[in-house]
Amino acid sequence: AQKITQTQPGMFVQEKEAVTLDCTYDTSDQSYGLFWYKQPSSGEMIFLIYQGSYDEQNATEGRYSLNFQKARKSANLVISASQLGDSAMYFCAMRGDSGNTPLVFGKGTRLSVIA
Amino acid sequence: GAGVSQSPSNKVTEKGKDVELRCDPISGHTALYWYRQSLGQGLEFLIYFQGNSAPDKSGLPSDRFSAERTGGSVSTLTIQRTQQEDSAVYLCASSLAATTLKTQYFGPGTRLLVL
Repeated sequence: AQKITQTQPGMFVQEKEAVTLDCTYDTSDQSYGLFWYKQPSSGEMIFLIYQGSYDEQNATEGRYSLNFQKARKSANLVISASQLGDSAMYFCAMRGDSGNTPLVFGKGTRLSVIA
Repeated sequence: GAGVSQSPSNKVTEKGKDVELRCDPISGHTALYWYRQSLGQGLEFLIYFQGNSAPDKSGLPSDRFSAERTGGSVSTLTIQRTQQEDSAVYLCASSLAATTLKTQYFGPGTRLLVL
């Protein structure tokens, strides 16, 4: 079984500052993938970034980077230079490689960017 | 269109009625997933299709829920004898293949309200 824990129900960040959203996971799979999705008020789930468990480099996508610490089972999302449009719910998710598995999601963190 | 589409975008129904929700995956994507998101919660897996294989129904909450996928493309999620606790956003996602750690892309969701 897999589990995702996001301990921050809500976060505030000043515009142009960086923010880290926490995510820890638990799995018995040797190979797995970690994902972050953004869900604005419109409700659509927008894929942000992916990290494979065997990737040696931390994933980066523009202003998003994933701070992957495998030994600690953490996959924190770092958003640099926050923008007002970054205000949304952020979900950490994972799936294993043991057969066909759906994504397992955390409960999410609501990020509010303040001008 | 290029993305996953879902219809209707909103559905209001009376308790006890049946509803059908539709999902059109991205062209060429062989894996299709249904998730449910209750208010303020993360996503809960419902059912998953991969090609012509038997679907993984392990997430369906009751036998009132069923889903079909015709011709390996469009999928319909049916909820019979709806209850108020079925009120949620129903999200569909698709990916290129489920046996590799591929990103899932989500549709805009159907917001279901059972009165």
